[in-house]
Amino acid sequence: NAGVMQNPRHLVRRRGQEARLRCSPMKGHSHVYWYRQLPEEGLKFMVYLQKENIIDESGMPKERFSAEFPKEGPSILRIQQVVRGDSAAYFCASSQGQGDASLFGPGTRLTVL
Amino acid sequence: GIQVEQSPPDLILQEGANSTLRCNFSDSVNNLQWFHQNPWGQLINLFYIPSGTKQNGRLSATTVATERYSLLYISSSQTTDSGVYFCAVEILTGGGNKLTFGTGTQLKVEL
Repeated sequence: NAGVMQNPRHLVRRRGQEARLRCSPMKGHSHVYWYRQLPEEGLKFMVYLQKENIIDESGMPKERFSAEFPKEGPSILRIQQVVRGDSAAYFCASSQGQGDASLFGPGTRLTVL
Repeated sequence: GIQVEQSPPDLILQEGANSTLRCNFSDSVNNLQWFHQNPWGQLINLFYIPSGTKQNGRLSATTVATERYSLLYISSSQTTDSGVYFCAVEILTGGGNKLTFGTGTQLKVEL
């Protein structure tokens, strides 16, 4: 009964490269959320997805960031042309829907050199 | 948007002491969760508590939704309790349970 899985756990990129973060929700959960935690700060909502649909992307930066949750496979958070300010911990959470508890994955720590 | 404030921002305890952490929120919420982020960065669910009181071992939580606050009690604290405690609230939106996190309470438990 694996929980929310994220990989990689640590990712190092040079400025200008692309970063791909993957999230597999808990079995039975169809709602996926991505959050970002900048150093010394709390978590901030980025995007909410269901299978093949972006429901709410109000927290996503307007450029370079995109997310998907395909019919098959994990959810992907993609950051193009990374900059040092993108260095953060990115957490994925899943739930069964509104009013249900969100369960969080272990996070991916992105470092941009 | 909704504001979530936590107090105190920092807390140092001697092992064995008790403490109360507070979370205030500025609007009606559909749900409230407490999390512990350990020194390795892992985020651990403690309570899902939109209202009422729950207990889990040395931890308990109470949410008074009508007065817009929640309390987390830690009794007989241990060094492994160190880390940051976050409360997060969900407001009723068009779908899903997007969480807004508080600023956190940094707890250090010393021997």
